[in-house]
Formats: sequence, C-alpha cells, structure tokens
Amino acid sequence: GENVEQHPSTLSVQEGDSAVIKCTYSDSASNYFPWYKQELGKRPQLIIDIRSNVGEKKDQRIAVTLNKTAKHFSLHITETQPEDSAVYFCAAVETSYDKVIFGPGTSLSVIP
Amino acid sequence: EAQVTQNPRYLITVTGKKLTVTCSQNMNHEYMSWYRQDPGLGLRQIYYSMNVEVTDKGDVPEGYKVSRKEKRNFPLILESPSPNQTSLYFCASSTPGQVGSPLHFGNGTRLTVT
Repeated sequence: GENVEQHPSTLSVQEGDSAVIKCTYSDSASNYFPWYKQELGKRPQLIIDIRSNVGEKKDQRIAVTLNKTAKHFSLHITETQPEDSAVYFCAAVETSYDKVIFGPGTSLSVIP
Repeated sequence: EAQVTQNPRYLITVTGKKLTVTCSQNMNHEYMSWYRQDPGLGLRQIYYSMNVEVTDKGDVPEGYKVSRKEKRNFPLILESPSPNQTSLYFCASSTPGQVGSPLHFGNGTRLTVT
C-alpha cells in the first residue's frame, strides 16, 4: 500500500544548530505536503506546507523543499531553540482528501 | 474562534461498555476524520467523512463506528471497547480542494480501557 517514510525517528541537536528531517512518499497522486509539530501532550499543529507546483518554501527559521520527481520532501529548521523540541510529522495528501498518509514522526530534542 | 472540539479529554472505561467520543467543528469543513496515536506508530486513520452522510474506512477501522448526520459533528463510537483500543484519539477537519488545506486537530481524547 501507499506509505510515507520519515527519517530520522529521533534527532538530537545543540541549540543554535540546524535540524533536517526527510520524508519519502510513494503515492504519485499526492500533491500537498504539510508538516505538523506536536508538543508533548498537545495536538498536532501545522507549521509549514508546500504544494506540488513549488520546489521550496520558507517561513523564518523553517523551510521545506520538495523534489516531486524523486518523491522526497524535507523540513529544515535553522538556529534551533529549546522550544523546537517536539515530534514532527510529515504527510502526503491528495488535495481531494481521498488519501492522507502520515509519516511515523521524528522526535526532535534541542539541547540548551 | 475557529476550532475542533473533542469531548471528553480523558476517559477510563471497562471492556464492553459502549462509549462515544464527540467531535465538533465550527469552520464549515466538509472533511472530517478520526486518528489514533500510539507510541512508535504515529497517526493512524480510523474513519473519515467527505461530507454529510458519507463515511469511509481508514487504515484501522475495526471495532469503531462513526456517523455524519450533520456537517459540524463526527462522533466516534466504540460499541464494545477492548483493551487494545486504549490510545490517544484525535479528530481533525479540513476543506478538500485543488490548492490543499491543512488538517485542524482537536485537543485529543485519551482513552483507557481496562
């Protein structure tokens, strides 16, 4: 079946360093790729998204890149801060919402 | 305030006792869905609904029922809960379309079945 792989499953970085999380999807019909952040005990919340007609998008310290040919997309967080510590989920979505597939998540720890 | 509201936040019950977790959204979203979250398994879709009176199975529908009689409400029903349904449940909603819209999640319901 269709799936989304996400790596690494855990990531520990020093405050101020960069963090990169990578996802690979299999469903060719996916055309929308959101990233969600879930802090401990809270709900997932959108932090950034990218649509299939765009290769890169940036919002302050967060950026996402998409390679549709290779079916890869990545989340980049620069100048990490302790409040970036959370679980991050990528997703591959058909915008009709007939199919929504989440990656298994990456637990990011930012060490002060 | 635009939001997805789930109730209850915490629920402890016993095997076999029917329960309902409610979900309501005030954003006029057509799409609603239920997920369960278990350690190491991420978010797994239980059921989803594209609109009123339209529901479909997700990846892990066994042991669950849903209904969509009104656009704003999408309750999750466990007719005979079992301990393997102990989990954290999230309801979410969105608007399908060409441009892509994110899911809005409720605050979650932590269910324990003993």
